[in-house]
Amino acid sequence: KAGVTQTPRYLIKTRGQQVTLSCSPISGHRSVSWYQQTPGQGLQFLFEYFSETQRNKGNFPGRFSGRQFSNSRSEMNVSTLELGDSALYLCASSILAGDGETQYFGPGTRLLVL
Amino acid sequence: AQSVTQLDSHVSVSEGTPVLLRCNYSSSYSPSLFWYVQHPNKGLQLLLKYTSAATLVKGINGFEAEFKKSETSFHLTKPSAHMSDAAEYFCVVSDTLINTGTASKLTFGTGTRLQVTL
Repeated sequence: KAGVTQTPRYLIKTRGQQVTLSCSPISGHRSVSWYQQTPGQGLQFLFEYFSETQRNKGNFPGRFSGRQFSNSRSEMNVSTLELGDSALYLCASSILAGDGETQYFGPGTRLLVL
Repeated sequence: AQSVTQLDSHVSVSEGTPVLLRCNYSSSYSPSLFWYVQHPNKGLQLLLKYTSAATLVKGINGFEAEFKKSETSFHLTKPSAHMSDAAEYFCVVSDTLINTGTASKLTFGTGTRLQVTL
């Protein structure tokens, strides 16, 4: 089974621009979560989508948004980019099984804001 | 609220010697606990998970972890380190949501960088 895929893998933007990142979950997984990883703040939860609905949200400003499509693919958007948005953005998909829910991560999208 | 504390930011071991990465957690509910590993410029790979079935959990690549409720700990061990084990390791907690029975938000520790020397 193919793993979680994220596109693009690398991205360079300038301040003020907006960016859209894409995540394709493992086949059959309906939940998709997004995380931001920076050297200073570590790994922080952004939001989680399940069946096209945002089920959980972290403490990020409204410039960060996401959505999920009927095929479970998800996108996240960051508007009005700031230098501090430079980070590795990780997507994870999960499915509920007998032993609970486990998140499987993609390789990430590395965003550099200049 | 849930939280995780990884007690060491950096651990250095010689190849062939045991590995111990320490983790303490805090959780309001019945927690699910995980260890993930991240190699340089890679995503996160699941090493193992605990979900109350057994307190000693075996994972991939010879790693295992023991859940100790009385100590609120979930330390990761490996009997013999290999050079390929050099990476960043994250202890992660996920509260089980009472109503749904699913855990959907992960809280990460700050990570422990494991260095393996010859």
